[in-house]
Amino acid sequence: EAGVAQSPRYKIIEKRQSVAFWCNPISGHATLYWYQQILGQGPKLLIQFQNNGVVDDSQLPKDRFSAERLKGVDSTLKIQPAKLEDSAVYLCASSLDRDDEQYFGPGTRLTVT
Amino acid sequence: AQSVTQLDSQVPVFEEAPVELRCNYSSSVSVYLFWYVQYPNQGLQLLLKYLSGSTLVKGINGFEAEFNKSQTSFHLRKPSVHISDTAEYFCAVYHQGGSEKLVFGKGTKLTVNP
Repeated sequence: EAGVAQSPRYKIIEKRQSVAFWCNPISGHATLYWYQQILGQGPKLLIQFQNNGVVDDSQLPKDRFSAERLKGVDSTLKIQPAKLEDSAVYLCASSLDRDDEQYFGPGTRLTVT
Repeated sequence: AQSVTQLDSQVPVFEEAPVELRCNYSSSVSVYLFWYVQYPNQGLQLLLKYLSGSTLVKGINGFEAEFNKSQTSFHLRKPSVHISDTAEYFCAVYHQGGSEKLVFGKGTKLTVNP
C-alpha cells in the first residue's frame, strides 16, 4: 500500500514570496490533515478535511495560508506572502475516517530567507 | 485547555541500557494516547496507542507504555535500546468528545551512544 506522498521535499523562498505544497493521501482515506512543525516543537494542526469539506481550520492563519481539497483526494496548501516565521516542516497526514489512525507523509521542509 | 508535556527535551543513553521517556497530559475528558517516532528527514510513525482496556500497551520495536489515569501520564519505555532507536519521540493526546484533534508534545530527542 502506497503511503502519503508530499512534494516538494524541500523549498527555499524569500519572504513575501508565495509557495504551494502538494499532498496525495493514502487511497480511500476520507480525512486529510496539514500540520506545521516548527524546529524544536511538536506538529500543530493547521487544517483538517473530511472528504472535500473543512472540519477544523481554527489554527490556520487565514490572512496568508489557504488550503483546498477540491475533489476529496489530493490537497494543496499555499502560503502567500511568506514570512520568516513560516520556516518549518509541513506534514500531511491521512486517516480512513475521523478518529482513525493517522498516517504521515515525509513532510516538506520550508526555509524562508 | 488540553496540553501535553514531555518532561525531557533530550535523553542520552548508552546502547543496551533501559530508557523511559516521560509524558503527562491535561484533560477533563476521556482521551486516546499515542507515541510517535520521527527519524531524521522523515514523517511521523506510530509506535503505539492507548484507546481503552489494558493500561500496558505494547508497540513496535520493543517499546511499551503504561497509561496511568490518576497521574495523567503515559510514559514510554524500552528495556534495552539500540543505536537505531536514535530519533525524536512525540507523545500525543486525542480528546474524545472534545476538540477531536491530535495535540502533540514538544518531543524528546533520544540519542543512543555506543
